[in-house]
Amino acid sequence: DADVTQTPRNRITKTGKRIMLECSQTKGHDRMYWYRQDPGLGLRLIYYSFDVKDINKGEISDGYSVSRQAQAKFSLSLESAIPNQTALYFCATSDTTGAREAFFGQGTRLTVV
Amino acid sequence: QKEVEQNSGPLSVPEGAIASLNCTYSDRVSQSFFWYRQYSGKSPELIMSIYSNGDKEDGRFTAQLNKASQYVSLLIRDSQPSDSATYLCAVNRGSGGGADGLTFGKGTHLIIQP
Repeated sequence: DADVTQTPRNRITKTGKRIMLECSQTKGHDRMYWYRQDPGLGLRLIYYSFDVKDINKGEISDGYSVSRQAQAKFSLSLESAIPNQTALYFCATSDTTGAREAFFGQGTRLTVV
Repeated sequence: QKEVEQNSGPLSVPEGAIASLNCTYSDRVSQSFFWYRQYSGKSPELIMSIYSNGDKEDGRFTAQLNKASQYVSLLIRDSQPSDSATYLCAVNRGSGGGADGLTFGKGTHLIIQP
Protein backbone atom coordinates (compact mmCIF):
# COMPACT_ATOMS: atom_id res chain seq x y z
CA ASP A 1 0.00 0.00 0.00
CA ALA A 2 1.15 3.53 -0.77
CA ASP A 3 2.42 5.64 2.12
CA VAL A 4 0.47 8.65 0.82
CA THR A 5 -2.94 7.80 -0.61
CA GLN A 6 -5.17 10.13 -2.57
CA THR A 7 -8.82 9.64 -3.42
CA PRO A 8 -10.29 9.79 -5.94
CA ARG A 9 -7.64 9.11 -8.57
CA ASN A 10 -9.71 10.59 -11.36
CA ARG A 11 -12.73 12.88 -11.25
CA ILE A 12 -14.81 14.74 -13.77
CA THR A 13 -17.10 17.39 -12.35
CA LYS A 14 -19.23 20.23 -13.64
CA THR A 15 -18.60 23.93 -13.29
CA GLY A 16 -20.03 25.27 -10.03
CA LYS A 17 -19.99 21.96 -8.19
CA ARG A 18 -18.28 21.47 -4.86
CA ILE A 19 -15.64 18.78 -4.80
CA MET A 20 -13.33 17.38 -2.16
CA LEU A 21 -10.03 15.61 -2.73
CA GLU A 22 -8.78 13.50 0.13
CA CYS A 23 -5.32 12.53 1.27
CA SER A 24 -4.20 10.15 3.97
CA GLN A 25 -0.70 9.11 4.99
CA THR A 26 0.92 6.36 7.02
CA LYS A 27 4.40 7.92 7.13
CA GLY A 28 3.78 9.58 10.49
CA HIS A 29 4.80 12.98 9.12
CA ASP A 30 3.48 16.16 10.65
CA ARG A 31 3.63 18.32 7.54
CA MET A 32 1.25 17.91 4.64
CA TYR A 33 0.87 19.81 1.38
CA TRP A 34 -1.37 20.18 -1.64
CA TYR A 35 0.15 20.99 -5.03
CA ARG A 36 -1.35 21.30 -8.46
CA GLN A 37 0.46 20.56 -11.70
CA ASP A 38 -0.40 22.09 -15.04
CA PRO A 39 1.36 21.45 -18.35
CA GLY A 40 4.02 24.09 -18.87
CA LEU A 41 3.60 25.54 -15.37
CA GLY A 42 5.09 22.89 -13.19
CA LEU A 43 4.04 22.10 -9.63
CA ARG A 44 2.65 24.93 -7.53
CA LEU A 45 1.86 24.93 -3.83
CA ILE A 46 -1.79 25.49 -2.88
CA TYR A 47 -1.86 24.98 0.91
CA TYR A 48 0.29 23.43 3.57
CA SER A 49 -0.18 22.38 7.16
CA PHE A 50 2.37 22.04 9.94
CA ASP A 51 -0.10 20.18 12.15
CA VAL A 52 -3.83 19.90 12.82
CA LYS A 53 -4.05 23.44 14.17
CA ASP A 54 -1.73 25.17 11.71
CA ILE A 55 -2.79 25.69 8.10
CA ASN A 56 -1.15 28.10 5.69
CA LYS A 57 -1.76 29.42 2.22
CA GLY A 58 0.70 28.61 -0.52
CA GLU A 59 1.29 30.35 -3.84
CA ILE A 60 -2.14 29.78 -5.39
CA SER A 61 -4.79 29.33 -2.68
CA ASP A 62 -7.61 31.37 -4.24
CA GLY A 63 -10.62 29.17 -5.00
CA TYR A 64 -9.46 26.40 -2.66
CA SER A 65 -9.90 25.51 0.99
CA VAL A 66 -8.39 22.74 3.11
CA SER A 67 -9.12 20.81 6.25
CA ARG A 68 -6.64 18.90 8.41
CA GLN A 69 -8.91 16.38 10.11
CA ALA A 70 -6.09 14.50 11.83
CA GLN A 71 -2.34 14.20 11.64
CA ALA A 72 -2.78 11.65 8.88
CA LYS A 73 -5.56 13.31 6.87
CA PHE A 74 -5.56 16.48 4.79
CA SER A 75 -8.35 17.29 2.36
CA LEU A 76 -8.61 19.89 -0.38
CA SER A 77 -11.94 21.42 -1.40
CA LEU A 78 -13.02 23.35 -4.42
CA GLU A 79 -16.13 25.20 -3.25
CA SER A 80 -17.33 26.07 -6.74
CA ALA A 81 -15.23 24.38 -9.40
CA ILE A 82 -14.26 26.26 -12.54
CA PRO A 83 -12.65 24.92 -15.74
CA ASN A 84 -9.24 26.50 -15.06
CA GLN A 85 -9.00 24.30 -11.97
CA THR A 86 -8.61 21.33 -14.30
CA ALA A 87 -5.21 19.94 -13.32
CA LEU A 88 -3.32 17.09 -11.71
CA TYR A 89 -3.40 17.48 -7.92
CA PHE A 90 -0.81 16.00 -5.60
CA CYS A 91 -0.75 15.60 -1.86
CA ALA A 92 2.66 15.38 -0.21
CA THR A 93 4.11 14.92 3.26
CA SER A 94 7.38 15.73 4.94
CA ASP A 95 8.96 15.27 8.31
CA THR A 96 9.30 18.19 10.73
CA THR A 97 12.95 17.55 11.35
CA GLY A 98 15.79 16.43 9.19
CA ALA A 99 15.88 16.64 5.46
CA ARG A 100 12.36 17.95 4.79
CA GLU A 101 12.14 15.83 1.68
CA ALA A 102 8.61 15.68 0.30
CA PHE A 103 6.90 12.38 -0.49
CA PHE A 104 4.03 12.48 -2.94
CA GLY A 105 0.75 10.63 -3.34
CA GLN A 106 -0.28 9.08 -6.65
CA GLY A 107 -2.16 12.19 -7.74
CA THR A 108 -5.77 13.05 -8.59
CA ARG A 109 -6.59 14.03 -12.14
CA LEU A 110 -9.45 16.53 -11.94
CA THR A 111 -11.38 17.72 -14.95
CA VAL A 112 -13.93 20.53 -14.63
CA VAL A 113 -16.31 20.75 -17.58
CA GLN B 1 8.71 35.78 -6.05
CA LYS B 2 11.13 32.92 -5.59
CA GLU B 3 11.93 31.23 -8.88
CA VAL B 4 13.54 28.02 -10.02
CA GLU B 5 14.60 27.85 -13.65
CA GLN B 6 15.27 24.78 -15.77
CA ASN B 7 15.69 24.22 -19.48
CA SER B 8 12.52 22.43 -20.55
CA GLY B 9 14.30 20.34 -23.20
CA PRO B 10 13.85 17.81 -24.54
CA LEU B 11 17.40 16.78 -23.76
CA SER B 12 18.39 13.77 -25.85
CA VAL B 13 21.30 11.62 -24.66
CA PRO B 14 22.60 8.33 -26.09
CA GLU B 15 22.32 5.25 -23.92
CA GLY B 16 25.42 4.81 -21.78
CA ALA B 17 26.39 8.48 -21.91
CA ILE B 18 26.25 11.07 -19.11
CA ALA B 19 23.11 13.19 -18.88
CA SER B 20 23.61 16.64 -17.35
CA LEU B 21 20.63 18.55 -16.01
CA ASN B 22 20.86 22.10 -14.72
CA CYS B 23 18.84 24.37 -12.47
CA THR B 24 19.20 27.92 -11.16
CA TYR B 25 17.31 29.50 -8.28
CA SER B 26 16.64 33.08 -7.28
CA ASP B 27 16.48 32.99 -3.48
CA ARG B 28 20.00 33.32 -2.18
CA VAL B 29 19.08 32.07 1.30
CA SER B 30 17.63 28.73 0.12
CA GLN B 31 19.05 25.84 2.14
CA SER B 32 17.67 22.61 0.71
CA PHE B 33 17.69 21.39 -2.88
CA PHE B 34 16.05 18.36 -4.41
CA TRP B 35 15.83 16.49 -7.69
CA TYR B 36 12.67 14.58 -8.48
CA ARG B 37 12.00 12.24 -11.39
CA GLN B 38 8.52 12.15 -12.84
CA TYR B 39 7.24 9.72 -15.43
CA SER B 40 4.31 10.87 -17.53
CA GLY B 41 1.09 10.84 -15.51
CA LYS B 42 2.86 9.64 -12.37
CA SER B 43 3.84 11.33 -9.13
CA PRO B 44 7.25 12.92 -8.55
CA GLU B 45 9.79 10.56 -7.02
CA LEU B 46 12.69 11.92 -4.98
CA ILE B 47 16.05 10.82 -6.34
CA MET B 48 18.55 13.23 -4.76
CA SER B 49 18.77 15.87 -2.07
CA ILE B 50 21.69 18.20 -1.40
CA TYR B 51 22.27 20.85 1.24
CA SER B 52 25.97 21.77 1.11
CA ASN B 53 28.21 23.11 -1.61
CA GLY B 54 29.95 20.45 -3.63
CA ASP B 55 29.02 17.05 -4.96
CA LYS B 56 26.84 14.30 -3.56
CA GLU B 57 26.87 10.89 -5.22
CA ASP B 58 24.30 8.09 -4.99
CA GLY B 59 24.80 5.23 -7.42
CA ARG B 60 24.64 6.55 -10.96
CA PHE B 61 23.40 9.97 -9.79
CA THR B 62 25.51 12.94 -8.70
CA ALA B 63 24.03 16.20 -7.48
CA GLN B 64 26.17 19.32 -7.52
CA LEU B 65 25.46 22.52 -5.61
CA ASN B 66 27.09 25.93 -5.96
CA LYS B 67 25.38 28.41 -3.64
CA ALA B 68 27.54 31.34 -4.74
CA SER B 69 26.30 30.89 -8.31
CA GLN B 70 22.82 29.74 -7.16
CA TYR B 71 23.16 26.69 -9.32
CA VAL B 72 22.23 23.04 -8.86
CA SER B 73 22.91 20.23 -11.30
CA LEU B 74 22.21 16.53 -11.65
CA LEU B 75 24.47 14.13 -13.51
CA ILE B 76 23.24 10.70 -14.53
CA ARG B 77 26.04 8.33 -15.51
CA ASP B 78 25.59 5.31 -17.77
CA SER B 79 22.18 6.58 -18.86
CA GLN B 80 19.53 3.93 -19.41
CA PRO B 81 16.29 4.10 -21.42
CA SER B 82 14.44 3.80 -18.09
CA ASP B 83 15.95 7.17 -17.12
CA SER B 84 13.77 8.83 -19.77
CA ALA B 85 11.47 11.08 -17.75
CA THR B 86 10.96 14.66 -16.66
CA TYR B 87 13.38 15.81 -13.96
CA LEU B 88 12.16 18.44 -11.54
CA CYS B 89 14.45 20.69 -9.56
CA ALA B 90 12.96 21.88 -6.26
CA VAL B 91 14.09 24.36 -3.63
CA ASN B 92 12.70 24.81 -0.13
CA ARG B 93 10.48 27.86 0.34
CA GLY B 94 11.30 28.27 4.01
CA SER B 95 14.24 30.53 4.72
CA GLY B 96 13.55 31.83 8.20
CA GLY B 97 10.25 33.48 7.39
CA GLY B 98 8.10 30.53 8.45
CA ALA B 99 7.15 29.48 4.95
CA ASP B 100 7.26 25.83 4.02
CA GLY B 101 6.93 23.56 1.03
CA LEU B 102 8.91 23.48 -2.18
CA THR B 103 9.23 25.73 -5.22
CA PHE B 104 9.62 23.65 -8.34
CA GLY B 105 11.14 24.33 -11.70
CA LYS B 106 9.04 23.42 -14.71
CA GLY B 107 11.17 20.36 -15.36
CA THR B 108 13.56 19.08 -18.01
CA HIS B 109 12.31 16.34 -20.29
CA LEU B 110 15.13 13.81 -20.72
CA ILE B 111 15.15 11.23 -23.51
CA ILE B 112 17.69 8.41 -23.50
CA GLN B 113 18.15 7.07 -26.98
CA PRO B 114 18.88 3.31 -27.22
